Amino acid sequence: DIVMTQTPLSSPVTLGQPASISCRSSQSLVHSDGNTYLSWLHQRPGQPPRLLIYEISNRFSGVPDRFSGSGAGTDFTLKISRVEAEDVGVYYCMQTAQTSRTFGQGTKLEIK
Amino acid sequence: EVQLLESGGGLVQPGGSLRLSCAASGFTFSSFVMNWVRQAPGKGLEWVSTIGSGGSTYYADSVKGRFSISRDNSKNTLYLQMNSLRAEDTAIYYCAKDIEEALAPDNWGQGTLVTVSS
Repeated sequence: DIVMTQTPLSSPVTLGQPASISCRSSQSLVHSDGNTYLSWLHQRPGQPPRLLIYEISNRFSGVPDRFSGSGAGTDFTLKISRVEAEDVGVYYCMQTAQTSRTFGQGTKLEIK
Repeated sequence: EVQLLESGGGLVQPGGSLRLSCAASGFTFSSFVMNWVRQAPGKGLEWVSTIGSGGSTYYADSVKGRFSISRDNSKNTLYLQMNSLRAEDTAIYYCAKDIEEALAPDNWGQGTLVTVSS
C-alpha cells in the first residue's frame, strides 16, 4: 500500500497569516489514466470530513479560494493564504491512485 | 441535496457481526463509486472499502476476509457486513460517495459508531 506522510503534524497559526501543509507519498500518484489522484480533506471536531481539493489542485464546489493545492508525483502541498477561525481542525491528504486508498496521519491546525 | 444516512452501529462482542447501512438520496446512486471510511476514537481516518458503480469491490488489508461491501441500487442503499469483529474495529464508520468527475469522496454521512467490547 502507498504510505502518505504529512508534515507538520501540528501547526499553530495566527489569524490572517498563511499556513502550509506538506504530504509525501511512498510511490507516484500518477494513475494509468494520466491523472494524479491526490485529495485534501478538512475535518472539524465532531464533524465528518469534507472535501477541499481533488486531483492535486482542483477546489471542490464551495471551497474558498484561500485554499490551494500544488505538487506532482510524490510531493504535494496544501496552502491557506490567510487563515480564518473556521479553518481550525485536522487536514488529511488522501491518495486514490491505487484501489487500496490511504490517508495521511492528519495535520492539526490551531490558532495561536 | 445529497444525503447519506448511516445506521446499524452499536455495541457488539468480539467475534460478533454487524451490518451497517447507508441510505442515499439526492443523486443517482447507481452511477457513483461508494466508500466506507472509519475513524477510531481520537485517531485519524482509515479507508475501509470501496464499491464501484459496476459492483467491483476493494478492501483494506485490515478487514479483508471479514468485511463485505455491497449495494442495492433499487433501494439506494450501501451496506457493510462486518464479521469476526475485533476490539480494533471500534470506530465511527462513515459512508462517502465519490465525486463524479474524479476519484475523491465529496459527500459524507454523519457516521455510525461501532463498539466492539465484551
